[in-house]
Amino acid sequence: SQTIHQWPATLVQPVGSPLSLECTVEGTSNPNLYWYRQAAGRGLQLLFYSVGIGQISSEVPQNLSASRPQDRQFILSSKKLLLSDSGFYLCAWRAPGNGYTFGSGTRLTVV
Amino acid sequence: EDKVVQSPLSLVVHEGDTVTLNCSYEVTNFRSLLWYKQEKKAPTFLFMLTSSGIEKKSGRLSSILDKKELSSILNITATQTGDSAIYLCSPIFITDKLIFGTGTRLQVFP
Repeated sequence: SQTIHQWPATLVQPVGSPLSLECTVEGTSNPNLYWYRQAAGRGLQLLFYSVGIGQISSEVPQNLSASRPQDRQFILSSKKLLLSDSGFYLCAWRAPGNGYTFGSGTRLTVV
Repeated sequence: EDKVVQSPLSLVVHEGDTVTLNCSYEVTNFRSLLWYKQEKKAPTFLFMLTSSGIEKKSGRLSSILDKKELSSILNITATQTGDSAIYLCSPIFITDKLIFGTGTRLQVFP
């Protein structure tokens, strides 16, 4: 079956520290992958999406970056976190012809 | 610039009421529109709308797309406390890019 894994579930990081959030998909190949951020009580903001290995589209200029080193792996990174990076981060995927499915999310608090 | 606006931003009703949530969009290369319900964590899928004027129903929820007006509505009849959530509208682009509206926070009180 097709599943999406996202970790960690919660993360507390100090300002200026690096970040790495990982998302992997199982049971499919060549999925479209997405990273979203949700501030408290707000909608989802698209950060990055990828239609293939090494192909990353950036939607919001900021100190975050994304990489797709393998077909079913999508990583969200930052070299130095800001307080404003706090939020709920969601990974999503779409296999061709199928609907969109979300991971369980990572709640990031930058202190 | 691509834009998705949902209204109202927040809605408080009593059980048994009927609610209508609105979504309007201005996007290039539009393909379809999704509705999601988000309670505590990840959004869960409700509807995908591709054709204009065709209502989709699931229990007490229904939704319809109007491509001419660039809008969609989500109706919930006989609301229950379990309907309390944020409802998100999401246009899909031809490129498979997927963006979300601001969401409508619905609170249903007994």
